[in-house]
Amino acid sequence: GENVEQHPSTLSVQEGDSAVIKCTYSDSASNYFPWYKQELGKRPQLIIDIRSNVGEKKDQRIAVTLNKTAKHFSLHITETQPEDSAVYFCAVQLFSGGYNKLIFGAGTRLAVHP
Amino acid sequence: DADVTQTPRNRITKTGKRIMLECSQTKGHDRMYWYRQDPGLGLRLIYYSFDVKDINKGEISDGYSVSRQAQAKFSLSLESAIPNQTALYFCATSSGSSYNEQFFGPGTRLTVL
Repeated sequence: GENVEQHPSTLSVQEGDSAVIKCTYSDSASNYFPWYKQELGKRPQLIIDIRSNVGEKKDQRIAVTLNKTAKHFSLHITETQPEDSAVYFCAVQLFSGGYNKLIFGAGTRLAVHP
Repeated sequence: DADVTQTPRNRITKTGKRIMLECSQTKGHDRMYWYRQDPGLGLRLIYYSFDVKDINKGEISDGYSVSRQAQAKFSLSLESAIPNQTALYFCATSSGSSYNEQFFGPGTRLTVL
């Protein structure tokens, strides 16, 4: 089955620095790669996603890059702010038996220090 | 606002007890999911349903069962709870799109003593 590895598991940065979280996957048929943010005590929420026909997507301070050949994708957060502190999950859409479902990485806990 | 809700939000139970977690949604989505979240393990899929008559096992279905009572309702049951089922449980929904954005409920924190 699909294997999604996410690194690092924890990340600590100073406010204003950049943060990068990387994920690798195994199924070359995967075509959709979302990122979810989970603030403390809250539900995961989609922050950005990318489809396999695109190499990069940007939304203000966050961007995602995809390398389909190497089977990895990354979340980039620039000019980090304390409110970026959260757990971030990557996910990969897997097709199996006519169903599409998401397989999540283990998560990265990002701490942004003022 | 259309939303996904879960009841109860917190539950403490004892080993061997049967417990049901409920999920309701007003988003009009056909697809519903149950996940379990444990520290360092991310979100793992327990069961999913793509319509009322469709039920499928996920990665970690052993010890769990589900019921899809209506398009808007999807319940998760633990027939005989055990301590290693202590976790945070999330329900999620999605539309029938090829690109599967999922909308999560607020979660149920379950403790099995």
